[in-house]
Amino acid sequence: AQTVTQSQPEMSVQEAETVTLSCTYDTSESDYYLFWYKQPPSRQMILVIRQEAYKQQNATENRFSVNFQKAAKSFSLKISDSQLGDAAMYFCAYRSPRPYMNRDDKIIFGKGTRLHILP
Amino acid sequence: DARVTQTPRDKVTEMGQEVTMRCQPILGHNTVFWYRQTMMQGLELLAYFRNRAPLDDSGMPKDRFSAEMPDATLATLKIQPSEPRDSAVYFCASGLDGDRAYNEQFFGPGTRLTVL
Repeated sequence: AQTVTQSQPEMSVQEAETVTLSCTYDTSESDYYLFWYKQPPSRQMILVIRQEAYKQQNATENRFSVNFQKAAKSFSLKISDSQLGDAAMYFCAYRSPRPYMNRDDKIIFGKGTRLHILP
Repeated sequence: DARVTQTPRDKVTEMGQEVTMRCQPILGHNTVFWYRQTMMQGLELLAYFRNRAPLDDSGMPKDRFSAEMPDATLATLKIQPSEPRDSAVYFCASGLDGDRAYNEQFFGPGTRLTVL
């Protein structure tokens, strides 16, 4: 079974600095999707960034980028120029694509990393 | 701006009472997911539907929980009878199935359930 591990329960970063959140996963599949979700105090889960395993290029969304190391099964999130609004719980997640008729759409989430932004 | 809606936003009830949580998926989405979030367990998948048919509810306690989709615009999660250990935030998410699609799941705002 696939598992997702976030080893940092909490992190802090100074405003305007860069922070990296770690995520490792375990799977025997070669093709899959990885996601980072953000959950601010409002509770709303927001997709931050996604990565397809068959793409070697790391995904980037504005100040958010990932370091995808497929062989190491590592998927870290880098937040540049941290802002107060980035304070939230961040979840790493995994999903495997399967043939349509047997598709398993389940997303497996890590336990989360709570990110604090220090003014 | 299409979004998943959930009602109620917060619910406080007493042990033994029936609780019904409702979710309206984004129009056109054909997959619906129910998750439970607690501090100890994180996000757990309880059940999910594709085209209104239940595909997997192995994460759901069968004796007290039930999930249904009466129609394409409504998903319900019921707990009867409720227990204090059911206190959690319950999220509904919807998505659009498709071959090799991202199948991004769009989450609702959640229902915070407190069972006294």
